[in-house]
This record gives sequence, C-alpha cells and structure tokens, in this order.
Amino acid sequence: GQSLEQPSEVTAVEGAIVQINCTYQTSGFYGLSWYQQHDGGAPTFLSYNALDGLEETGRFSSFLSRSDSYGYLLLQELQMKDSASYFCAVRNSGYALNFGKGTSLLVTP
Amino acid sequence: NAGVTQTPKFRVLKTGQSMTLLCAQDMNHEYMYWYRQDPGMGLRLIHYSVGEGTTAKGEVPDGYNVSRLKKQNFLLGLESAAPSQTSVYFCASGGLAGHEQYFGPGTRLTVT
Repeated sequence: GQSLEQPSEVTAVEGAIVQINCTYQTSGFYGLSWYQQHDGGAPTFLSYNALDGLEETGRFSSFLSRSDSYGYLLLQELQMKDSASYFCAVRNSGYALNFGKGTSLLVTP
Repeated sequence: NAGVTQTPKFRVLKTGQSMTLLCAQDMNHEYMYWYRQDPGMGLRLIHYSVGEGTTAKGEVPDGYNVSRLKKQNFLLGLESAAPSQTSVYFCASGGLAGHEQYFGPGTRLTVT
C-alpha cells in the first residue's frame, strides 16, 4: 500500500520560519509535490522535488530525501496570508498524485 | 484564459437522484482528474483520464462514472446519489509531467 504522514496542525508567529514535514511509503516514486489550499478555495501548486535536495521558490523551499522517504516544506518570513492547509503529494505513477491529509497552518500576529 | 472551470458550484440532491458534474479546461492538457475532499481526509482521486476517450479508476471510484469525449472536457456522473457522496468535488488538469495539477474552484454537493 501507500501512505503519507504529515502533521495535522502547525501554529507559527508572523515573520517566523516554519517547517512542515512529510513522510511517505509508496510502491513507486517519481517525486514529491506540495500544494497550498486556503479555506473555501482550490489547491494550488507550490513546488516539486524529483531528486534529493532543496528547491527554492521565493519564501518557500522544499526538500526531499529519497533514501529516507522524507520531505519538508519550509516557509520563511511568514505572513498572515500563509495561513492555509498544505498538502504533500507523491507522484507514484506517470499520471496521478496521492495526497496526504494536509497540515493546517495558522499564522498568528 | 479561464483555466479550469466547474459547473455547478453548489448542488443539493436527494438520495437516489442522478447528476453530472462538468469540468472544462482551456490549457490543452492531456491529463484530467476528479477528486473528492472530505474533512480530515485530504484529496482522494476518484477517476482520471490520460487523454481524449480514455478513463481510469482512482482510489475511490465506486458510485461514480466518467467520460472524456473531448480533450477539454471531463464529466463526472453520479448514477444514484447516496449521503456518503456528500463532499466537495474538485476537477484538475495537468501536463505530461503529472506532478503539477491545476484545480477548478470545486463543486459543493450535499445529498440528503
């Protein structure tokens, strides 16, 4: 089978740095994606790691370790608008993504 | 470009009724997907399509049917709605890489 584990909730202060971890078990692995979803909105793509290492996109970075079946999303200089749910998703075939249950991030003043 | 659009946005059905959800994309994507999202469950794949005329089952296909007669459209049908199908339904499309998907605004369906 396949499973993804990520914390259900994280709280952080505006301006701080927060890391959202994701561990996965899957029969096939092409890469790890991250999506953001605000309340009532649609998921939007943030980043993708196919190889080990860090990918940086502005204030957001994503890391992957294939040997540890582990990745994380790092959000820097947190802003109130970053309060949202964040999903990791494994691409385990050429076509589809398997999503985790999501991490609800609350940014406080 | 409108991206991915879904109709309707909201719908209330009675148990046993049928309906079709329509998804359209204008990005010329090969792949299209239907997900359902329930509280605390994340996004679960119902069916997907890798090209016009093709469909395949995802994680939770029971009670749903799909069709992809045109590349830009992907239809999700509920033949006999059940309360367990109360959910928010998202359509998505993506290119051949598969990891970056573009989602529609969602359809909130309630079955009573």
